[in-house]
Amino acid sequence: DAKTTQPTSMDCAEGRAANLPCNHSTISGNEYVYWYRQIHSQGPQYIIHGLKNNETNEMASLIITEDRKSSTLILPHATLRDTAVYYCIVSKETSGSRLTFGEGTQLTVNP
Amino acid sequence: NAGVMQNPRHLVRRRGQEARLRCSPMKGHSHVYWYRQLPEEGLKFMVYLQKENIIDESGMPKERFSAEFPKEGPSILRIQQVVRGDSAAYFCASSRLAGKDTQYFGPGTRLTVL
Repeated sequence: DAKTTQPTSMDCAEGRAANLPCNHSTISGNEYVYWYRQIHSQGPQYIIHGLKNNETNEMASLIITEDRKSSTLILPHATLRDTAVYYCIVSKETSGSRLTFGEGTQLTVNP
Repeated sequence: NAGVMQNPRHLVRRRGQEARLRCSPMKGHSHVYWYRQLPEEGLKFMVYLQKENIIDESGMPKERFSAEFPKEGPSILRIQQVVRGDSAAYFCASSRLAGKDTQYFGPGTRLTVL
């Protein structure tokens, strides 16, 4: 699986959009970009994933650059409960593909 | 729709004892994955199972660790003769048989070895 690079930490004001970047310059054509988050020591929570088109769901939006070498997760209106470690993972969308978690980005939402 | 369930949530064992961790996948899911998170470290893949089959155990320590996913019942991660270094959070994830294969995680079991 392609390696990802994320900033170690970010801060965001409550109510503002949180934009979390991820670089995955070695991504291959059949690899998807997944985002998970881990709040405190809970189990990782799936957020969103995409291949090349931008995606949006009730939690977030995922913007993938045209060359697919980077992406941005957008939380449109961050709340205190969004404080978590956010993981950007590149993986094949096939059975058995393990998820390789990196260090992630510690997002802190401030009141 | 119940999510992935794991029990116990907390488990305390003394060195040399056995630990059994259970994972019930989401309804309709027949793929189970186990991950371990050591203190202050990231999650690491351990093993991937389908019903009655171990598909990939390349992340699991060769000694003392085993996993199963029987035809009936939950998946079990078993650690024999636990040592202090086994203290960690163990997370289970599950995915569906076919189609999109997003992994959904359970709340984890926190194992403490005294």
